[in-house]
Amino acid sequence: DAKTTQPTSMDCAEGRAANLPCNHSTISGNEYVYWYRQIHSQGPQYIIHGLKNNETNEMASLIITEDRKSSTLILPHATLRDTAVYYCIVHMEYGNKLVFGAGTILRVKS
Amino acid sequence: NAGVMQNPRHLVRRRGQEARLRCSPMKGHSHVYWYRQLPEEGLKFMVYLQKENIIDESGMPKERFSAEFPKEGPSILRIQQVVRGDSAAYFCASSPTPYLARDEQFFGPGTRLTVL
Repeated sequence: DAKTTQPTSMDCAEGRAANLPCNHSTISGNEYVYWYRQIHSQGPQYIIHGLKNNETNEMASLIITEDRKSSTLILPHATLRDTAVYYCIVHMEYGNKLVFGAGTILRVKS
Repeated sequence: NAGVMQNPRHLVRRRGQEARLRCSPMKGHSHVYWYRQLPEEGLKFMVYLQKENIIDESGMPKERFSAEFPKEGPSILRIQQVVRGDSAAYFCASSPTPYLARDEQFFGPGTRLTVL
């Protein structure tokens, strides 16, 4: 699986959009970009995933660059409950294990 | 539909004892994954099981650790002769298929093992 690079931490004001970047320059054509988050001490939670098109669901939007070497997770209106570690993972469609990196610690502040 | 359930939520063992961690997947899910999170570290894959079969145990320590997912009942992660380095949070996840792009992995709340 391709390696990902994320900033160690980010701060965001409550109510503003949180934009979390991820670099995955060695991604191959059949690999997807997945985002999970882990709120303090809880189990990870799936957020969104995509292959090459931008994706949106009730939680977030995922913007993938045209060359697919990087992506951005957008939480449109961050709340205090969005404070968590966010993991960007690159993986094939079929897979039996997720490889978690260090992730980005997002702190949403009032 | 209840989520993935793990018990116990907290487990304390003395060095040399055995630890048994249980995971009940979501209804209809036949694929179970175990991950371990050491203090201040990220999650690491341990083992993937599909009803009665171990599919991938590449992340399991070679000794003292075993896992099973019987036809009936929860998946069990068993750690024999625990040592202090086994203290960690152990998370179980389940999915209805192994196709991540179609079916996400749902994680349980974890079992926090403390070895004294």
